[in-house]
Amino acid sequence: EIVMTQSPATLSVSPGERATLSCRASQSVSSNLVWYQQKPGQVPRLVIYGASTRATGIPARFSGSGSGTEFTLTISSLQSEDFAIYYCQQYDNWPWTFGQGTKVDI
Amino acid sequence: EVQLVESGGGLVQPGGSLRLSCVASGFTFNTYAMSWVRQAPGKGPEWVSFISDSGVSIYYADSVKGRFTISRDNSKNTLHLQMNSLRVEDTAIYYCAKDMTKWGQGTLVTVSS
Repeated sequence: EIVMTQSPATLSVSPGERATLSCRASQSVSSNLVWYQQKPGQVPRLVIYGASTRATGIPARFSGSGSGTEFTLTISSLQSEDFAIYYCQQYDNWPWTFGQGTKVDI
Repeated sequence: EVQLVESGGGLVQPGGSLRLSCVASGFTFNTYAMSWVRQAPGKGPEWVSFISDSGVSIYYADSVKGRFTISRDNSKNTLHLQMNSLRVEDTAIYYCAKDMTKWGQGTLVTVSS
């Protein structure tokens, strides 16, 4: 199975700062990658699909990039509501697999 | 508005069975693939199973293969997950997901003696 590795495990940033989250696949997943945001006690919400397309309702400060094995989620100017755990997930090969998550906190 | 409502979770002993259901509304159910995803307490999500819009294509995570069965009833806009031979490590919130883009609120499955 494809192993998804996210870094860092925790990212401490201040509101207004830029956050860069990484996700690496153990083999190429083309652009078949999504990012989810999960806040405490809530259901994961889709942020990015196809590696770089924002989901409906997601603010423009979120952007995704990459293909193959290296992916990045960038939040250009962190707002208070962006503090959460972010997961990447590949849907290129079965079984679909998630990364272990990056917690973005203050 | 897309709505996915799971039910059927609960407390079960190791080796027992449960059948989860997910009733969908707000979209044309029979044109979308559906999945089950689970999340153990304090852990990240784990994809469990996939079924295509017609039900012809089905896939499972290795951790549940041979024990869980996914199915759908397109006439009732309902997705099911039959879970047999449950183990303590199957304890999690189980979510149904429309095309992995929208998840329901989940139903808690606890496997414990």
